[in-house]
Amino acid sequence: RKEVEQDPGPFNVPEGATVAFNCTYSNSASQSFFWYRQDCRKEPKLLMSVYSSGNEDGRFTAQLNRASQYISLLIRDSKLSDSATYLCVVNGGTGGFKTIFGAGTRLFVKA
Amino acid sequence: NAGVTQTPKFRVLKTGQSMTLLCAQDMNHEYMYWYRQDPGMGLRLIHYSVGEGTTAKGEVPDGYNVSRLKKQNFLLGLESAAPSQTSVYFCASSSGPDSAGELFFGEGSRLTVL
Repeated sequence: RKEVEQDPGPFNVPEGATVAFNCTYSNSASQSFFWYRQDCRKEPKLLMSVYSSGNEDGRFTAQLNRASQYISLLIRDSKLSDSATYLCVVNGGTGGFKTIFGAGTRLFVKA
Repeated sequence: NAGVTQTPKFRVLKTGQSMTLLCAQDMNHEYMYWYRQDPGMGLRLIHYSVGEGTTAKGEVPDGYNVSRLKKQNFLLGLESAAPSQTSVYFCASSSGPDSAGELFFGEGSRLTVL
């Protein structure tokens, strides 16, 4: 079992749609959680951190469920510019070397 | 502000050749990392450094060596390239363990080994 698992997609949605991605992780001791965005042939960039209480940034909402060991990302009112791969990232302990990346979920938003 | 810069951006090698990838960051970060990214897989950590003069192995260190002689630079070396090392290599940095998940990446280096 992979330490961090994501549905690879692709998710094909029309503009304006709401889309949700889930990510599961295996290490119950994981400390911190993030969503990164990676455009085609570009580097990953931090989209948002995921807090236990959940957090929202504009059209993006991230949730953490420690009991079930999953993280979610909700995108409302999808834009063409949201087309990218979304990487779930879990930090399993002290030090950056415990950061584990999921393989990513591809999203295509169509006009 | 350049952030994290990688050179070269592209390289084609023949099996058995050697090369070095250079990563430079101007954010005064203590932690630096080298990852590789292959289709269908998440980024995998090759080596990392928690400060100048220190290096450590990550998940997939075989076939690679690294050096961190200066705080701002982190070099990744391939002594004898193999086709299995064809990949996209990303360098990243972070300010420390407390923010270890918040990584700043370079633009990537695409390496092909024939």
